[in-house]
Amino acid sequence: DAGVTQSPTHLIKTRGQQVTLRCSPKSGHDTVSWYQQALGQGPQFIFQYYEEEERQRGNFPDRFSGHQFPNYSSELNVNALLLGDSALYLCASSLEGVNFEAFFGQGTRLTVV
Amino acid sequence: GQQLNQSPQSMFIQEGEDVSMNCTSSSIFNTWLWYKQDPGEGPVLLIALYKAGELTSNGRLTAQFGITRKDSFLNISASIPSDVGIYFCAGQLLLYQLIWGAGTKLIIKP
Repeated sequence: DAGVTQSPTHLIKTRGQQVTLRCSPKSGHDTVSWYQQALGQGPQFIFQYYEEEERQRGNFPDRFSGHQFPNYSSELNVNALLLGDSALYLCASSLEGVNFEAFFGQGTRLTVV
Repeated sequence: GQQLNQSPQSMFIQEGEDVSMNCTSSSIFNTWLWYKQDPGEGPVLLIALYKAGELTSNGRLTAQFGITRKDSFLNISASIPSDVGIYFCAGQLLLYQLIWGAGTKLIIKP
């Protein structure tokens, strides 16, 4: 049974560019959350998707957007990249009703230069 | 903004020692969770706590949800080398959102 898979694992982008990160949830999970983790810090909640809708958003600007597909997979898009967007981006999947018992992927390490 | 204060920031321990770490907040939480993150990996859920005063164990790990609902602690008994890593506490801030501490890094003394 595959766990949460994220792609790509590493990415280098230039300031001002746009990036799309992808996440496939654990089999049977219907809810996907995205987190940003800066070096030496705990994860920060970006948003959560359920039934293809964003249902909660953390304190992140509109440059961060997402999408959930009918098969529950999800994308995180970041526009107009800033140097400060460099971080590990984590995807977590869970089952509706047990939202906090989430399984995390290995993350995508994004470096903005 | 909301913050969780997690301490200590790091711990050097001998194999076999017991370990204790805690998290405090100025806000009341309905749920506390403890995660462990190894290098190059995403966090893994260790223990979830849903009621004030709840004491829950998972093998050598024991965690408690503080009575005031503003704190939680995690104990690890008889530490082993694979306990090395970063431990995070997280509290339920809003219905679907967690707020995380900055982590406690556990290091085994050579």
